[in-house]
Amino acid sequence: DTAVSQTPKYLVTQMGNDKSIKCEQNLGHDTMYWYKQDSKKFLKIMFSYNNKELIINETVPNRFSPKSPDKAHLNLHINSLELGDSAVYFCASSQDRLSGGAWETQYFGPGTRLLVL
Amino acid sequence: AQSVTQLDSQVPVFEEAPVELRCNYSSSVSVYLFWYVQYPNQGLQLLLKYLSGSTLVESINGFEAEFNKSQTSFHLRKPSVHISDTAEYFCAVSDVGGTSYGKLTFGQGTILTVHP
Repeated sequence: DTAVSQTPKYLVTQMGNDKSIKCEQNLGHDTMYWYKQDSKKFLKIMFSYNNKELIINETVPNRFSPKSPDKAHLNLHINSLELGDSAVYFCASSQDRLSGGAWETQYFGPGTRLLVL
Repeated sequence: AQSVTQLDSQVPVFEEAPVELRCNYSSSVSVYLFWYVQYPNQGLQLLLKYLSGSTLVESINGFEAEFNKSQTSFHLRKPSVHISDTAEYFCAVSDVGGTSYGKLTFGQGTILTVHP
């Protein structure tokens, strides 16, 4: 069974379009994350949700909007796609405790490769 | 603010040779330290982590890393590499305590290529 899954695996689209990436984890974790890996392989956190509540929101254009319908899902919606949005987007999850879970292992999905033309 | 620097972007090595992947970090608070590995076309997987206690931590596949607080380093080593170790390795840190909720700051990654 896949622990953290993402769909689609590949996404090719035109500038200006709106697209969504879905993420699901079956690990029973409380916290989920979205990361962006650029063409130079630099990995940077975008958002984090804990029990459906937004807790980390890095400096990301407001064209990006995460949505968490329940704690097992964290979807990423991107409006008005730009060339610079081309990247690999990774979803991750971890088990957190009330005092904060900075020591917890994060489990990553396989990534969604987005190409904006 | 935290930062992580991986000093080598690429490390080529022959099979059965030793390897060291270097990682230095900067932080104003105490940190937890991690090494993640990314095999081609896959997501990242935890290789090992340092939380507290012994400064030398080991993974199940023969890698080890040593936390050196004075040098703010967490270098990854393996005495004898295999072809299957070919991957990209990421060093990462997160704050101890506070409300970081597991926010990881990653280095730029080091591509390890093991040649036969």
